[in-house]
Amino acid sequence: ETGVTQSPTHLIKTRGQQVTLRCSSQSGHNTVSWYQQALGQGPQFIFQYYREEENGRGNFPPRFSGLQFPNYSSELNVNALELDDSALYLCASSLGREGETQYFGPGTRLLVL
Amino acid sequence: AQSVTQPDIHITVSEGASLELRCNYSYGATPYLFWYVQSPGQGLQLLLKYFSGDTLVQGIKGFEAEFKRSQSSFNLRKPSVHWSDAAEYFCAAATSGTYKYIFGTGTRLKVLA
Repeated sequence: ETGVTQSPTHLIKTRGQQVTLRCSSQSGHNTVSWYQQALGQGPQFIFQYYREEENGRGNFPPRFSGLQFPNYSSELNVNALELDDSALYLCASSLGREGETQYFGPGTRLLVL
Repeated sequence: AQSVTQPDIHITVSEGASLELRCNYSYGATPYLFWYVQSPGQGLQLLLKYFSGDTLVQGIKGFEAEFKRSQSSFNLRKPSVHWSDAAEYFCAAATSGTYKYIFGTGTRLKVLA
């Protein structure tokens, strides 16, 4: 069974640029959630995708957007990057959308200069 | 508002000593509860979870947690800590019908040889 994978592992961007982060869910899982973890903080929920549709969203601006593909992999896109977007971005997959156990990938560390 | 609180930011214990990490939640109904561990630069690994039933939950790596409804707590314990347990520990909660985890701010564990 393949676990959750994310790419790239690290990324450096400059303010104003756009970035795309990718996530492959664990085999058999149809739900992907994205979290932002700033340094020294707990993860904060960005949004969740269930069967290719957005299933909920946290307190993040519209410049954070996402997609889920038919194979249940997912992308997180961030436009107009700001310095405060520097963080570890975690993807988690699960089966179902109601509080099911989420399994996390290793994360993508984004640095915005 | 729903919240998860981990009162201890840092905890230091000697190898072989017992450990207890505190977690309190504030929810309208009893949530699903989770403990995750994060090693430096890594994603989150699930240690254990509580959905219902027996209030003492056994997890991986010798960890256990006890759910106490009267105290709105879900404290993590380990009888004898190993140096490899040094990491950051996150408590998280979710409710049935919702789609996001709410995390505490984490407790960083240091183990002295």
